[in-house]
Amino acid sequence: DTAVSQTPKYLVTQMGNDKSIKCEQNLGHDTMYWYKQDSKKFLKIMFSYNNKELIINETVPNRFSPKSPDKAHLNLHINSLELGDSAVYFCASSPLQAGYLEAFFGQGTRLTVV
Amino acid sequence: AQSVSQHNHHVILSEAASLELGCNYSYGGTVNLFWYVQYPGQHLQLLLKYFSGDPLVKGIKGFEAEFIKSKFSFNLRKPSVQWSDTAEYFCAVKSTGGGADGLTFGKGTHLIIQP
Repeated sequence: DTAVSQTPKYLVTQMGNDKSIKCEQNLGHDTMYWYKQDSKKFLKIMFSYNNKELIINETVPNRFSPKSPDKAHLNLHINSLELGDSAVYFCASSPLQAGYLEAFFGQGTRLTVV
Repeated sequence: AQSVSQHNHHVILSEAASLELGCNYSYGGTVNLFWYVQYPGQHLQLLLKYFSGDPLVKGIKGFEAEFIKSKFSFNLRKPSVQWSDTAEYFCAVKSTGGGADGLTFGKGTHLIIQP
């Protein structure tokens, strides 16, 4: 009954590879997000997406791209992985109604680029 | 753009001590405020949130926070901490204008409770 689920939980890959992280939410929320948590635990939003708009944090390299096959899924695709991409990536979702903007987070995907 | 500042990056307390973690935000408009907790190896969980009304909000596990608009602060408190409170604590802010922009987090406070 996990509300926001991500796969895989751990991902180890070599530099230069392309990888995807999947995220699904069963809460019926309108908006989904990807956050990156670096080695110092600092959390920063990468993308937010609903069926109307994609908001991209301008600091995110264009090697990162969100893909949403439907409202319940927002996958993160990363091209040409670099060592600095190693981090924990969290997916989250929230309803879009004004006044109720709490985000629910997935378990995270620990990406290690070697 | 909004920003969040957490003053204490590392806090070490003994069990039963009182806790206060500072959080200040910067934003010109109305915001919603949150405290999230991340236990070791786990995802973020919501401790409490402020949307409107009573500026003193109570959350889970005995935590509370007070929104002081004039100080742009939303400090987290607990009267008596337990060993199980050892975790990373994040203050976050979101503008109330709706839309799909996400939360802006502070850099977190690593809390260690010694038995």
